[in-house]
Amino acid sequence: DAMVIQNPRYQVTQFGKPVTLSCSQTLNHNVMYWYQQKSSQAPKLLFHYYDKDFNNEADTPDNFQSRRPNTSFCFLDIRSPGLGDAAMYLCATSRELPSGRRNEQFFGPGTRLTVL
Amino acid sequence: DAKTTQPPSMDCAEGRAANLPCNHSTISGNEYVYWYRQIHSQGPQYIIHGLKNNETNEMASLIITEDRKSSTLILPHATLRDTAVYYCIVRGLSGGYQKVTFGIGTKLQVIP
Repeated sequence: DAMVIQNPRYQVTQFGKPVTLSCSQTLNHNVMYWYQQKSSQAPKLLFHYYDKDFNNEADTPDNFQSRRPNTSFCFLDIRSPGLGDAAMYLCATSRELPSGRRNEQFFGPGTRLTVL
Repeated sequence: DAKTTQPPSMDCAEGRAANLPCNHSTISGNEYVYWYRQIHSQGPQYIIHGLKNNETNEMASLIITEDRKSSTLILPHATLRDTAVYYCIVRGLSGGYQKVTFGIGTKLQVIP
């Protein structure tokens, strides 16, 4: 089945130690998103890629970076994780059609990040 | 994107219809209403979307009022697996930069 895959499902890192979360998709969608979801809160968009075009949200901290080496893969890099960065990180994809219309987003299961 | 208002929580008896309301009084003419749900510890899942006509699929029905200022998601026969947080979102489908903004959502508890 076509899907959005996130590995690992659970990640533990130490305060200040860089960590990378990965997302892959078999849907061949041209748009990929990263969301942060803290406990009991709604998902919050960090940034997204339209093909290779990176779009950062204005309030996303510089500590968060992303890479998209090809259509299938997208990475979230947290350069110096703080305790406040502990959260579920969700990857999503969607297709933007030539008309400019984007369809619904397909989400992965998320990676739960713990910062010690 | 237009702001949405949903009740924070609802209960529904198993086997009964669950009717989840959403107010979006500032919706503009080219904005669609989308519904997603998030089961505990999983990523959000798309349910349905619509512009002005009522929509139905294998998961749910979406009823949008004539003035488009509110809508209702209907799960016709709720099961325990439908226990989740349900998000109502309005967004345009034009090209260029756009984002899905999740509100607090409605936590639906289906009771045996």
